[in-house]
Amino acid sequence: GAGVSQSPSNKVTEKGKDVELRCDPISGHTALYWYRQSLGQGLEFLIYFQGNSAPDKSGLPSDRFSAERTGGSVSTLTIQRTQQEDSAVYLCASTLQRGLTDTQYFGPGTRLTVL
Amino acid sequence: DAKTTQPPSMDCAEGRAANLPCNHSTISGNEYVYWYRQIHSQGPQYIIHGLKNNETNEMASLIITEDRKSSTLILPHATLRDTAVYYCIVSGNQFYFGTGTSLTVIP
Repeated sequence: GAGVSQSPSNKVTEKGKDVELRCDPISGHTALYWYRQSLGQGLEFLIYFQGNSAPDKSGLPSDRFSAERTGGSVSTLTIQRTQQEDSAVYLCASTLQRGLTDTQYFGPGTRLTVL
Repeated sequence: DAKTTQPPSMDCAEGRAANLPCNHSTISGNEYVYWYRQIHSQGPQYIIHGLKNNETNEMASLIITEDRKSSTLILPHATLRDTAVYYCIVSGNQFYFGTGTSLTVIP
């Protein structure tokens, strides 16, 4: 079956513009995570969705960042008024269900470059 | 959530066993130890996980100490394709990925 997919794979934008990053999780997976990874750094948790529950937004770095998950499947991460420090790889992961034994399956990421 | 400590980098000769340590001294009784790896420019890939017993699969073995405060990931016969960053994570409400161990397999 298909894994987690993300689009676009690369995005170059100008400072101040808004961007939308898309994640298609594995079908049937109820939990979805967004992370970002700056060059040479580990993964930084941003947000997660679990079923119909309110998302945990505790990792979002500023109010310029927001995410939605429509119909419990596809998720969009939106960054408004992008800054150069937003440049990073944005990774999405999904799990069958959020629990202590859940394995996360990651997408290939979207590389965002803010000029 | 329990955090983990890993050495920043390690080298291993091709064909030899790679032993990657991880400390997780604040782990809770119901938290699992997960290992992922990230090959350059790719998303992280699941390797193995365990609670308190040692585990083995086709990729690796996981040895967890009796007090569960540390663990070791073993790649029994490292190949050049095993060169990657290896993350040790303790599950809980969220997954916290640190900077991992950068393993370089040397020919």
